[in-house]
Amino acid sequence: DAGVIQSPRHEVTEMGQEVTLRCKPISGHDYLFWYRQTMMRGLELLIYFNNNVPIDDSGMPEDRFSAKMPNASFSTLKIQPSEPRDSAVYFCASSPSTNPNSPLHFGNGTRLTVT
Amino acid sequence: AQTVTQSQPEMSVQEAETVTLSCTYDTSESDYYLFWYKQPPSRQMILVIRQEAYKQQNATENRFSVNFQKAAKSFSLKISDSQLGDAAMYFCAYRNTDKLIFGTGTRLQVFP
Repeated sequence: DAGVIQSPRHEVTEMGQEVTLRCKPISGHDYLFWYRQTMMRGLELLIYFNNNVPIDDSGMPEDRFSAKMPNASFSTLKIQPSEPRDSAVYFCASSPSTNPNSPLHFGNGTRLTVT
Repeated sequence: AQTVTQSQPEMSVQEAETVTLSCTYDTSESDYYLFWYKQPPSRQMILVIRQEAYKQQNATENRFSVNFQKAAKSFSLKISDSQLGDAAMYFCAYRNTDKLIFGTGTRLQVFP
């Protein structure tokens, strides 16, 4: 099992550019989560999917952020246009079932720097 | 809404000694799960230990154990015989149904 795979590992972009972060969950996991980690706010849940359907996007900061899950093995988080305050580490995580005892399996994160 | 609070931004411990990291949470639910995750400098999020709220017995994983006080809504992590490799950020987390909610973390330093 390769684990949750995120790409890229690092992304540096200029303000105003579009940024796309990618995630491949563990095969068979039907929950997928996007988190953002900053020093000031810690780990914030942005959005999560169940069976490719967005369930709760209340954590998405504003309309510049969007997320899709076109199939069970791929998800994207897009920021357009990006701003310096979007600089953070973005984590994708997946979980195998609705059982709350199931831990989330995290990817290694994408460190985004917007200059 | 559920919240998780870690009141210790930083802690330090001598190698081989014991340290306890604090966590409190707020929920109106009776059935839920609590977790401690470790995040070393590599940025990985590693599950350390989990506790089911309906179980009175405190969870233990090798040198890691918890003190779960359901009435007080407290869930502390005890690390015994601390090792240099335990140095990391530690996050307490709560899960009731779908979402996993994290505290702000405690940075643990381990001194030789």
